Amino acid sequence: DTEVTQTPKHLVMGMTNKKSLKCEQHMGHRAMYWYKQKAKKPPELMFVYSYEKLSINESVPSRFSPECPNSSLLNLHLHALQPEDSALYLCASSQWEGGGNEQFFGPGTRLTVL
Amino acid sequence: GEDVEQSLFLSVREGDSSVINCTYTDSSSTYLYWYKQEPGAGLQLLTYIFSNMDMKQDQRLTVLLNKKDKHLSLRIADTQTGDSAIYFCAEIDYNTDKLIFGTGTRLQVFP
Repeated sequence: DTEVTQTPKHLVMGMTNKKSLKCEQHMGHRAMYWYKQKAKKPPELMFVYSYEKLSINESVPSRFSPECPNSSLLNLHLHALQPEDSALYLCASSQWEGGGNEQFFGPGTRLTVL
Repeated sequence: GEDVEQSLFLSVREGDSSVINCTYTDSSSTYLYWYKQEPGAGLQLLTYIFSNMDMKQDQRLTVLLNKKDKHLSLRIADTQTGDSAIYFCAEIDYNTDKLIFGTGTRLQVFP
């Protein structure tokens, strides 16, 4: 299995809702990433987990809360989001964190905040 | 942060070659990557080149690296309509190990 899966594919939520994005990989990768991508822009790194521990938080607002329950799963919990948080959220994984380790991306979750 | 620049748009006829260019700023980058993103989809890693190489060929794809000018290019031979997508170059930031993406080039292939 050489893919990263993400659910749901699309999500529409109100500003008072709580929802979660899920990401899964079964490649034995020990680093997992969340990126945010606005239309016509490159992906921007949000969080990095390495060996199930948070390694990098790119000063992301606390309304985004990542969680890594085990080495195969990565969640992103969403609460009290703003319309400007609407974007494509991409998950990626690599064998380890750091340079030279190819990152494999999932198909993304298209989030719309009303 | 580092700036990785690409031209915004490229239009080519089916069967011709496409050349997508990228300039990067971190001369210490060890790996440089090319990703493809089709509409509404995630990023697909196409190929990468290690900084001690100046060329890498993989089927229809040829990557050229000019370290002196910090210039990277991706040549797609015999471009097909299925190659229409956005192409991102990316470098590894030497200090932070983060993947820094270029601005992206939209490739449009017409019959």
